[in-house]
Amino acid sequence: SQTIHQWPATLVQPVGSPLSLECTVEGTSNPNLYWYRQAAGRGLQLLFYSVGIGQISSEVPQNLSASRPQDRQFILSSKKLLLSDSGFYLCAWRRKKDSSRYNEQFFGPGTRLTVL
Amino acid sequence: AQSVTQLDSHVSVSEGTPVLLRCNYSSSYSPSLFWYVQHPNKGLQLLLKYTSAATLVKGINGFEAEFKKSETSFHLTKPSAHMSDAAEYFCVVSKRDDKIIFGKGTRLHILP
Repeated sequence: SQTIHQWPATLVQPVGSPLSLECTVEGTSNPNLYWYRQAAGRGLQLLFYSVGIGQISSEVPQNLSASRPQDRQFILSSKKLLLSDSGFYLCAWRRKKDSSRYNEQFFGPGTRLTVL
Repeated sequence: AQSVTQLDSHVSVSEGTPVLLRCNYSSSYSPSLFWYVQHPNKGLQLLLKYTSAATLVKGINGFEAEFKKSETSFHLTKPSAHMSDAAEYFCVVSKRDDKIIFGKGTRLHILP
């Protein structure tokens, strides 16, 4: 069976500090990978998605970046955090196949980031 | 353009009464539709999905949804609410180009 891990579960960081959030998937290969953010009282905002190693698409310009160094590893980073980066970060994966739009996403447990 | 609208940001029902969470979509072709549930500080979990096989879709935890093309709706229902159903629910549409669009979510409150 497939599992998706995120860490850390919670993080408190000062403004201006760097960030690295990690997401790994087990039990599948060549998945589509996604990073989302939920700010307080708001819906899900897609930040990045990746269809393969080294292939990253950015949905929203900001001070965050993403990398996919391995097939099942997705990393979200920042060089200098802003207060507005606080939120709940979710990683998700999705199978690719011929009718991939019928495939659901599988979400990780999330990381709660508080920037002070 | 394809979009999804969740008509209520908050819904409150008493325990043991029916639940109705409304979702309307716009699409120029037959869409793929999903409902997810998110409990506080947790990831999203798939409740059910519509992939054009059957218009009435049964999901986990007693939830079901009916795809109505004439009304462009995919409302989520449950006959009898339980306290553990208190959560946020997201209606999602998947586009032909594999892009995924989330509704803004409906927070379900269960009154004792």
